[in-house]
Amino acid sequence: ETGVTQTPRHLVMGMTNKKSLKCEQHLGHNAMYWYKQSAKKPLELMFVYNFKEQTENNSVPSRFSPECPNSSHLFLHLHTLQPEDSALYLCASSHAGTEVMSGNTIYFGEGSWLTVV
Amino acid sequence: KQEVTQIPAALSVPEGENLVLNCSFTDSAIYNLQWFRQDPGKGLTSLLLIQSSQREQTSGRLNASLDKSSGRSTLYIAASQPGDSATYLCAVRQNSGGSNYKLTFGKGTLLTVNP
Repeated sequence: ETGVTQTPRHLVMGMTNKKSLKCEQHLGHNAMYWYKQSAKKPLELMFVYNFKEQTENNSVPSRFSPECPNSSHLFLHLHTLQPEDSALYLCASSHAGTEVMSGNTIYFGEGSWLTVV
Repeated sequence: KQEVTQIPAALSVPEGENLVLNCSFTDSAIYNLQWFRQDPGKGLTSLLLIQSSQREQTSGRLNASLDKSSGRSTLYIAASQPGDSATYLCAVRQNSGGSNYKLTFGKGTLLTVNP
């Protein structure tokens, strides 16, 4: 248990479906992240939220829509995905970037396995 | 653009052996470097974090070193055990503009420790 909880753990969706991934952290952090992990590729940063504000969008297609209602919750809304979007989606949290000099460790959830058919 | 390379991509060793995993990065302007462990189908667990001003960090049988100027880090695992089998990921943290900081990951080293 890392303090970062992701649901669902597994999701199979059709290309015309709309679904959402949810992430919740109980660590008192104020920065949250979405990463994508595909086979044989490094983890790719998708989005960063600091104090509920999106501070980074790493050129992610609009079919992925993040939402951060508060510092403890992060969603990734999915619609009209492609088969190549099948991957492990990891949520993470840390203290905000301005506290980086304290050596803030980043904590990851267990991930949501997404399969697009 | 920062690039992180991990060598070897896979490693298989007998139990009890000491081993070294390597990580290199192209841009030395980093704030810290972090080693993670990932078990199959699971998220990442942080093992060690080394600040840019530090040379090494130790936790139990793990020792990580950092040579920032040459863009290299090593993770040393002593007396390896089958339970150490996992993918080990290296990541560097740097400023991506303003107050934004980001981690750039390597592809990982898949370690198998055979009983």
